[in-house]
Amino acid sequence: AQKVTQTQTSISVMEKTTVTMDCVYETQDSSYFLFWYKQTASGEIVFLIRQDSYKKENATVGHYSLNFQKPKSSIGLIITATQIEDSAVYFCAMRENYQLIWGSGTKLIIKP
Amino acid sequence: DMKVTQMPRYLIKRMGENVLLECGQDMSHETMYWYRQDPGLGLQLIYISYDVDSNSEGDIPKGYRVSRKKREHFSLILDSAKTNQTSVYFCASSTSAETLYFGSGTRLTVL
Repeated sequence: AQKVTQTQTSISVMEKTTVTMDCVYETQDSSYFLFWYKQTASGEIVFLIRQDSYKKENATVGHYSLNFQKPKSSIGLIITATQIEDSAVYFCAMRENYQLIWGSGTKLIIKP
Repeated sequence: DMKVTQMPRYLIKRMGENVLLECGQDMSHETMYWYRQDPGLGLQLIYISYDVDSNSEGDIPKGYRVSRKKREHFSLILDSAKTNQTSVYFCASSTSAETLYFGSGTRLTVL
């Protein structure tokens, strides 16, 4: 069965620094899609970035980037120059057919 | 602007009452979803709809039903709501293999 694991429950960093959140996944599929979502304090779930498994280049969107290590089944999210408003819960997810398999989330706290 | 709209944002009902949660999207996405989110349990899939009148159960469909008569609109119905259905409900939409986009959620309290 497919599975997504986020082992970091909570991370706290200073503003303007770089943070990496870990995610590992299990799948039997040769082609798959990986996503990172952010859930804000107000509860909104916002799509951040995705990685298609067949792409070797790491995806980058704004100050979000991915560290995709396919042999290790790992998809880390890197946020550079963090801002207070980056404080949120970050979810990793993997697409299985039409559904998403979700990780349990990592709470990110940005300290001023 | 791509948008998934959920109504209402907050809802309080008494046990045994019927509940209707509504969701709309303006992206012509074929696939729509209903999730619930409880503290510590993450997002659980209730139903998925592949298009009009083409719905499938997710992981926790018991106590819920859905209706999709137009591509842009997907409803979640609780017949005779129970207190354990108190939760935050999220609607989402996507094209067949693409990114899910979420609504703002409906916080339902069943007393």
